[in-house]
Amino acid sequence: QVHLVQSGSEVKRPGASVKVSCQASGYTFTDFGISWVRQAPGQGLEWLGWVSAYNGDSSYAQRFRDRVTMTTDTYTTTAYMELRSLRFDDTAIYYCGRSEPTVVTHFDHWGQGTLVIVSS
Amino acid sequence: DIQMTQSPSSLSASVGDRITITCQANQDISNYLNWYQQRPGKAPRLLIYDASNLAVGVPSRFSGRGSGTDFTFTISSLQPEDIATYYCQQYDTLPVTFGGGTQVEIK
Repeated sequence: QVHLVQSGSEVKRPGASVKVSCQASGYTFTDFGISWVRQAPGQGLEWLGWVSAYNGDSSYAQRFRDRVTMTTDTYTTTAYMELRSLRFDDTAIYYCGRSEPTVVTHFDHWGQGTLVIVSS
Repeated sequence: DIQMTQSPSSLSASVGDRITITCQANQDISNYLNWYQQRPGKAPRLLIYDASNLAVGVPSRFSGRGSGTDFTFTISSLQPEDIATYYCQQYDTLPVTFGGGTQVEIK
């Protein structure tokens, strides 16, 4: 069965960077993409962007475009999301979700989430 | 960005009740609308995709309908395990956007 397993919690200082991983198993990694969605404490869901494991294409939400990078490693079937210049309001749970390979539609499997805390 | 407005923001109902949540887009999104369930402390779970299609393994008491700007999500007979927050999500136009969520509680 499909599993997405994310890296562990992180505590970072303002201005630092964080890189969250999402290791996929149970399906052909290059047949899909991975989206990243975050949830601030007590808040709703916010999409950060998507990367295709099929062809390497990516698309980012405008508000994150200058400080986020999403990549995939097809050898380890792992997707990565790096967020730079962290701010206090980046404190959130970050989820990866499996997406279509060439377009973003629905997210049919999700990782367990990675808590990122930005604190001085 | 496309704005998704969900209502109500919360509701309380009895086991066995039929409940309906609405989601309105501020522009036509055809049927490019999905619904998710998020239980407390858990990741979201896909329930409905393309407005009305039941995801794999999802019980048939869940359903969705609508197109254009107005959508509904229904639980035909509320069960204790349905305690969760429900979100709609559009993918007509990037960025993908979510509704604000509807928290469902048992009376």
